[in-house]
Amino acid sequence: AQSVAQPEDQVNVAEGNPLTVKCTYSVSGNPYLFWYVQYPNRGLQFLLKYITGDNLVKGSYGFEAEFNKSQTSFHLKKPSALVSDSALYFCAVSSPGATNKLIFGTGTLLAVQP
Amino acid sequence: EAQVTQNPRYLITVTGKKLTVTCSQNMNHEYMSWYRQDPGLGLRQIYYSMNVEVTDKGDVPEGYKVSRKEKRNFPLILESPSPNQTSLYFCASSLGGANTEAFFGQGTRLTVV
Repeated sequence: AQSVAQPEDQVNVAEGNPLTVKCTYSVSGNPYLFWYVQYPNRGLQFLLKYITGDNLVKGSYGFEAEFNKSQTSFHLKKPSALVSDSALYFCAVSSPGATNKLIFGTGTLLAVQP
Repeated sequence: EAQVTQNPRYLITVTGKKLTVTCSQNMNHEYMSWYRQDPGLGLRQIYYSMNVEVTDKGDVPEGYKVSRKEKRNFPLILESPSPNQTSLYFCASSLGGANTEAFFGQGTRLTVV
């Protein structure tokens, strides 16, 4: 069965510092991996996805994510955090054999302090 | 502008009173789905639809119904709401199923008293 784990409920980082939001997954076969962001009182917005190819994926707003097959991880990163990055971040996974199902993690609240 | 529109945004209702949350997308997407978001549980899929007249259960379908009579609309129906259905609901659409980028509505916060 597919599953996603986001081990940190909250990540705190100072503005200007690098940030990492962690995600590990379990899926049969090759995964399709996604990151979404949710700002207060808004729906989720797509940030980036990994399907195949380069393990470092670049996305919106300066975010990137690194796919690591051996560790079954897909951590979200940004070199320099902004206060405006403060939001709830969701990792999600689907598989080529299950085009109907996108499984979400429980979310990580990112708080960037000025 | 490409968007997914849900209505209403906020709803307070009483136990047992039937309600419908509407969802409409203007991107000609074939795949649509409904999720509920609860603290500590993330988003869980309620129902999904691969195309017109094709719907199927997600992970938490009990107490919900859906229909897909037109490509753009995918309403969520609660025939007899109960307090455990108090949640934040999101509709989403995508071009090619769950493996492609999903576009989400702004959410419907439902309270059942």
